Amino acid sequence: KQEVTQIPAALSVPEGENLVLNCSFTDSAIYNLQWFRQDPGKGLTSLLLIQSSQREQTSGRLNASLDKSSGRSTLYIAASQPGDSATYLCAVLDDKIIFGKGTRLHILP
Amino acid sequence: GAVVSQHPSRVICKSGTSVKIECRSLDFQATTMFWYRQFPKQSLMLMATSNEGSKATYEQGVEKDKFLINHASLTLSTLTVTSAHPEDSSFYICSAKKNTNEKLFFGSGTQLSVL
Repeated sequence: KQEVTQIPAALSVPEGENLVLNCSFTDSAIYNLQWFRQDPGKGLTSLLLIQSSQREQTSGRLNASLDKSSGRSTLYIAASQPGDSATYLCAVLDDKIIFGKGTRLHILP
Repeated sequence: GAVVSQHPSRVICKSGTSVKIECRSLDFQATTMFWYRQFPKQSLMLMATSNEGSKATYEQGVEKDKFLINHASLTLSTLTVTSAHPEDSSFYICSAKKNTNEKLFFGSGTQLSVL
């Protein structure tokens, strides 16, 4: 049974710092992995999608990596800003979509 | 980018009534749509997967007679919460994708409050 774990559960960092969010999954037989952002009371915004054959994807200040063999993905945020404060979720797709519980990120002004 | 529209964004209803939530893919045909619920500060939980023209596949523990899902066209799926009770109060989100390995696109969610 696929399980997705995100560490840490919560993170507070000063503005301007670079940071890394972690996601691990137990079954490496996935189609893809996706990182999302969720603001309180709102739906999800897709950030990055990594296909199983890819190792990383970049969009602006965000970089996501995927290591299928070790069952890990990281989301790197460069030069963090207060507007980055949100909950970040990763999800893996095998025969269904499994979400992690998310990391609540707070960027301190 | 692809857009998924979900309505209503918020609904308050009395216990015992039924509530319908719509999920539409506005600029693409969604072969598969997914329905999730989320309790405060908890992870999204997949409720069911629906493919156009066929019956939805429900996750273990989700009552199919209570949460009716209809995916009548490639652009519309509906979730009806029948005989709603206060414990059904939650945040419901839909998502859609075009093909198997493609990105998921999410609706903006529906906050259901049952009094």
